[in-house]
Amino acid sequence: DAGVIQSPRHEVTEMGQEVTLRCKPISGHNSLFWYRQTMMRGLELLIYFNNNVPIDDSGMPEDRFSAKMPNASFSTLKIQPSEPRDSAVYFCASSLVWVKVTDTQYFGPGTRLTVL
Amino acid sequence: ILNVEQSPQSLHVQEGDSTNFTCSFPSSNFYALHWYRWETAKSPEALFVMTLNGDEKKKGRISATLNTKEGYSYLYIKGSQPEDSATYLCAPKRTGTASKLTFGTGTRLQVTL
Repeated sequence: DAGVIQSPRHEVTEMGQEVTLRCKPISGHNSLFWYRQTMMRGLELLIYFNNNVPIDDSGMPEDRFSAKMPNASFSTLKIQPSEPRDSAVYFCASSLVWVKVTDTQYFGPGTRLTVL
Repeated sequence: ILNVEQSPQSLHVQEGDSTNFTCSFPSSNFYALHWYRWETAKSPEALFVMTLNGDEKKKGRISATLNTKEGYSYLYIKGSQPEDSATYLCAPKRTGTASKLTFGTGTRLQVTL
């Protein structure tokens, strides 16, 4: 398996622009997670899905952020409008059966976002 | 918000040294503790998942112990090698099917020759 795939790997945009980050989880995994990594806050969970349904989006910073999972093999994280403070590395992770206590998450390579 | 603390924040040791780090977390509603290893410019990779009080896991030169009653876990590396240089993250999971991992800020280990 190719692992979790994220695109783009790097994104540089200007303040006010819309940004869309994409993730393809490992085939057969039914849980998907979006994380943001910053120097100040470390690795923080933004939202996660079970069977394509959002379960917990309490980590989404504000209304400018939205996430969708239209099917089991694709998810997007959108920021509109983007701001310089959104600059971070965004990771997507997937898990086979998240309700199973010993299951682990597999992380993608991340998207480094820079908002000028 | 779950308070997860890791110490030390960073550590610099020489090749061959043994070292250990601490992860502290609330003991209430404990479900599992995950350890991840995160190399620079790569993605976090799972090391261990621990569930039972007194649990001990081992993978090569790396081992971990768990105390769920007092809410801490230790990660040990025996005979550190340069390839062990990474940030080590712990993440407890609480009870409930919608529970999630809350990552600590990690211990950054650098092993030099």
